[in-house]
Amino acid sequence: EPEVTQTPSHQVTQMGQEVILRCVPISNHLYFYWYRQILGQKVEFLVSFYNNEISEKSEIFDDQFSVERPDGSNFTLKIRSTKLEDSAMYFCASSGRRDSANSPLHFGNGTRLTVT
Amino acid sequence: AQSVTQLGSHVSVSEGALVLLRCNYSSSVPPYLFWYVQYPNQGLQLLLKYTSAATLVKGINGFEAEFKKSETSFHLTKPSAHMSDAAEYFCAVSDSRDDKIIFGKGTRLHILP
Repeated sequence: EPEVTQTPSHQVTQMGQEVILRCVPISNHLYFYWYRQILGQKVEFLVSFYNNEISEKSEIFDDQFSVERPDGSNFTLKIRSTKLEDSAMYFCASSGRRDSANSPLHFGNGTRLTVT
Repeated sequence: AQSVTQLGSHVSVSEGALVLLRCNYSSSVPPYLFWYVQYPNQGLQLLLKYTSAATLVKGINGFEAEFKKSETSFHLTKPSAHMSDAAEYFCAVSDSRDDKIIFGKGTRLHILP
């Protein structure tokens, strides 16, 4: 079964540094998402992306964050200047349709980001 | 705004016992409801979903959930727990107007031998 692939599985960075989290969605999917989960808290929506532009973003997704689909396969999340509170598990997801009922999200295994 | 509340961040059951993980939702429109499972070092995997058809929904690995509008609940059950069920379980909600999913905080299920 096709999978969403995320790399790296664990990233450690110093506060103020830029990080790029990478995702390869399922090949025929058109809708892409980033979620994050701070340790002990709920999984939070960050951003959705369709047709090479952001469809929706949450309050968390401020100017420090950006997403990009640089080629036909990768979908990246960039944090420009990391803060301690950015430490979390970041999940990428994709779906074939906008309708969540009939095309549920497929998630990657996540990237654990640790900011020191 | 939509939200889900999962009661109990940790639940422990004995192997062979009934599993009951609780989820209550809040939605101003008829919701779609989901349960996802996360095994250690893996991503979120869809267990089952409710999309306004049958109120009792069967999923993978013997799990099922019942949508009760009067109680705004969507509790997850399994008659007999297996050791392999140990994981974190997330209840989630969305609606037909939106594609994003709103998750609960998750419940970690521990299976006692």
